[in-house]
Amino acid sequence: NAGVTQTPKFRILKIGQSMTLQCTQDMNHNYMYWYRQDPGMGLKLIYYSVGAGITDKGEVPNGYNVSRSTTEDFPLRLELAAPSQTSVYFCASSQGLEGTEAFFGQGTRLTVV
Amino acid sequence: GENVEQHPSTLSVQEGDSAVIKCTYSDSASNYFPWYKQELGKRPQLIIDIRSNVGEKKDQRIAVTLNKTAKHFSLHITETQPEDSAVYFCAALYTGTASKLTFGTGTRLQVTL
Repeated sequence: NAGVTQTPKFRILKIGQSMTLQCTQDMNHNYMYWYRQDPGMGLKLIYYSVGAGITDKGEVPNGYNVSRSTTEDFPLRLELAAPSQTSVYFCASSQGLEGTEAFFGQGTRLTVV
Repeated sequence: GENVEQHPSTLSVQEGDSAVIKCTYSDSASNYFPWYKQELGKRPQLIIDIRSNVGEKKDQRIAVTLNKTAKHFSLHITETQPEDSAVYFCAALYTGTASKLTFGTGTRLQVTL
């Protein structure tokens, strides 16, 4: 059971480039989340999804886009990378509703230069 | 939306002492409060959680208490060990129209010999 898998683990982007962070889970979870974690800081919610075809903004959505065409996949798209997007990105999933654990992927360390 | 505040930001204790981390939340509709431990360079992992219909929960050296009236909850670690050194995050589940997990800013716990 792989759980939540993120790719890539590391990436360096130039300013203005675009990329997609991939996230897939094999636990049939309805809820999926994208967080960013700046150095020494907490987890800030970028976008989340409560099921296939449904997404919503979190606390810091500007500069990002998501889609949820299947239950398993929740990719995060950066269209025009900026240095402020340098961060570690975590994808997470949960069964949903209260009292269910959120499982995290191993993270993607992104540097924008 | 939900806002979770966490204190202290750093905590240093001697091995064998107790550590207490406190969080407050803003939305009275939140009804699930997990705590995550994040070791350096790794993903956050759930260590204990509590639901709103419970006032206290224990798991070996770890306990969590919840005061719904005051909207605050706390993590208690007794007989601390060096391997407890990590960053700890509290979180609150804001259901509203969807399951949105909001994290506190984190507490860096250092257990010294």
